[in-house]
Amino acid sequence: QKEVEQDPGPLSVPEGAIVSLNCTYSNSAFQYFMWYRQYSRKGPELLMYTYSSGNKEDGRFTAQVDKSSKYISLFIRDSQPSDSATYLCAMKAAGNKLTFGGGTRVLVKP
Amino acid sequence: EPEVTQTPSHQVTQMGQEVILRCVPISNHLYFYWYRQILGQKVEFLVSFYNNEISEKSEIFDDQFSVERPDGSNFTLKIRSTKLEDSAMYFCASSPLGQNELYGYTFGSGTRLTVV
Repeated sequence: QKEVEQDPGPLSVPEGAIVSLNCTYSNSAFQYFMWYRQYSRKGPELLMYTYSSGNKEDGRFTAQVDKSSKYISLFIRDSQPSDSATYLCAMKAAGNKLTFGGGTRVLVKP
Repeated sequence: EPEVTQTPSHQVTQMGQEVILRCVPISNHLYFYWYRQILGQKVEFLVSFYNNEISEKSEIFDDQFSVERPDGSNFTLKIRSTKLEDSAMYFCASSPLGQNELYGYTFGSGTRLTVV
């Protein structure tokens, strides 16, 4: 079983729709959870991070963590064409190493 | 906004040659990292570096790889004898703190290494 699993997509939505992304993980030691956005041939850009179960909101973005189910989600409200990118979940246990999911490609169509 | 700078953006090298990838982390950051992403695959951790020594490394980071902070601003990744399978995007990252802090964990735009 892979440590972090993420549907590769592509996920295509119309402009203004809610984008729903998720990752599952198998390692109970993961304590910190992040979502990154990556445009083509660019580095990952941190969007959200959290270390507790529950919801965290930042503008149009909401991150959810359910440690009991080993499941995390990212919701993007009022999606824009500029949100078209690959979204990566990443997780960290103790130490500094981030473990990434494979990324979900999102296309927001005008 | 402060950023992590990587040079070159693209490097082509012949198999067996040595390459050095360069990074300038954000100036007040203390932890430095290298990750790689083979085309179509996950971003993978290679190594973390703190206080002039390696703090953690993955199984990918074998004897062919080394890291150095030669001066107060640069952080380099050296691959001694490149193989075709080393072709990937290499990302440098830095963070102000380590362990339990994620704030400011910033990636550069990457160096695309092509081994021919």
